[in-house]
Order: sequence, then C-alpha cells, then structure tokens
Amino acid sequence: AQSVSQHNHHVILSEAASLELGCNYSYGGTVNLFWYVQYPGQHLQLLLKYFSGDPLVKGIKGFEAEFIKSKFSFNLRKPSVQWSDTAEYFCAVNARSGGYNKLIFGAGTRLAVHP
Amino acid sequence: DGGITQSPKYLFRKEGQNVTLSCEQNLNHDAMYWYRQDPGQGLRLIYYSQIVNDFQKGDIAEGYSVSREKKESFPLTVTSAQKNPTAFYLCASSPPGLPYEQYFGPGTRLTVT
Repeated sequence: AQSVSQHNHHVILSEAASLELGCNYSYGGTVNLFWYVQYPGQHLQLLLKYFSGDPLVKGIKGFEAEFIKSKFSFNLRKPSVQWSDTAEYFCAVNARSGGYNKLIFGAGTRLAVHP
Repeated sequence: DGGITQSPKYLFRKEGQNVTLSCEQNLNHDAMYWYRQDPGQGLRLIYYSQIVNDFQKGDIAEGYSVSREKKESFPLTVTSAQKNPTAFYLCASSPPGLPYEQYFGPGTRLTVT
C-alpha cells in the first residue's frame, strides 16, 4: 500500500536557521512527489513538485526539495527561514487505485519560526 | 476570480443529524476531491469524482455520501453513521490531465456535539 511518512510533527526554529523536513514514501510505481503548505488562515497550496528529470526541484519562496530514489525520500529544504514560513507542511505522493489517480498525504509537519 | 469556495466556514450540528457541506469551483476542473484533516493525521481522502455523475470512495468513505450532478459542485453529506464527524473538511479540484496538482478550498470546520 502506498504511504507517506513525515518524521517530524513539530519543528521550532529561529529566523535565519536552515530547514530540512523529512519525507519518505512507499510506492511501487513511477512517483510524482509534492510538498504542500498551509499558512495560518490560508488555503492549502502547492509549494513544489517532482515529476521527472532533475531530482533537485525548486519551488516558491526559496524552498527546494531533493528526490533520492534509493532512499525513497523527498526532503524539503530552505537555507534560511523567515518568520513568514511559519506554517504546516505536507508531503504527498501520487497513487493510482482502481484506474483513478489520487494523492496520498503525510501527517504534516508544523513549523514555527521565531523572530 | 477563479477558485474553490466552501461554505460555511464553521458548522455546528447535534449528534444524529445529517449535514451537507458545500463545495463549488469555477476553475472548469473535471476532477474534485473531499479530504478530512485531523491533527497529526494529515489529509485523508473521503471521496473523489473524475467527471460529472461519477464518483469513487476514498480511504475513509464510511459514514459519508456525495453527489456530482454538476461540474462545478461536489457536496459532501456527513451522515449520522459517521462515528467521529468532528473535523476540518477540505475540498479540492484538479485540472484536466493533471490529477496530482490539486487546488484547495478554505475548508469547513464541522463540530458535532
């Protein structure tokens, strides 16, 4: 069965610290991987995605993620976080079930950045 | 202004009552989805619909029902059979040919007492 595991449920950082959020997936087919972000009071929105090609993917607001196939991982990184990065982050992987496509989400990581 | 609207933002119901959550989109997307978000569990798929008049059960469909009579609308009914209905419900849609790029609505927080 497909699954996504996010290692940290809560992360607290000071501004300018570096960020890495872990994501491991379990899926036997061709993977498409995503990070979604939910800022306080806002809609869940797509941060970045990997479909194929360069395993280092750049997204909005200075975020990037690296797909490491051998480790089944798709960790999210940012060299220097800002207070405005405070949000909940969800990793997701594609899945195909009964001829239909769907996303499998991880449990999420709440990031709090202190000024 | 294109997007997904969900109403109401907060909903309160007594146990034993059915309640219907609204989801409307004007993005011209064929596919629509309902998720449930609980703390520490991420998003779990309740139902999804690829086209009008077609829908499929997701991972936690028990106690829920949906309809898809119009492309723009995908209402979710939380029935009295749902054992733990208090949660945050998110509706999403995806563009044709891009089922994994999902656009989300603002959500409805349902509290059942």
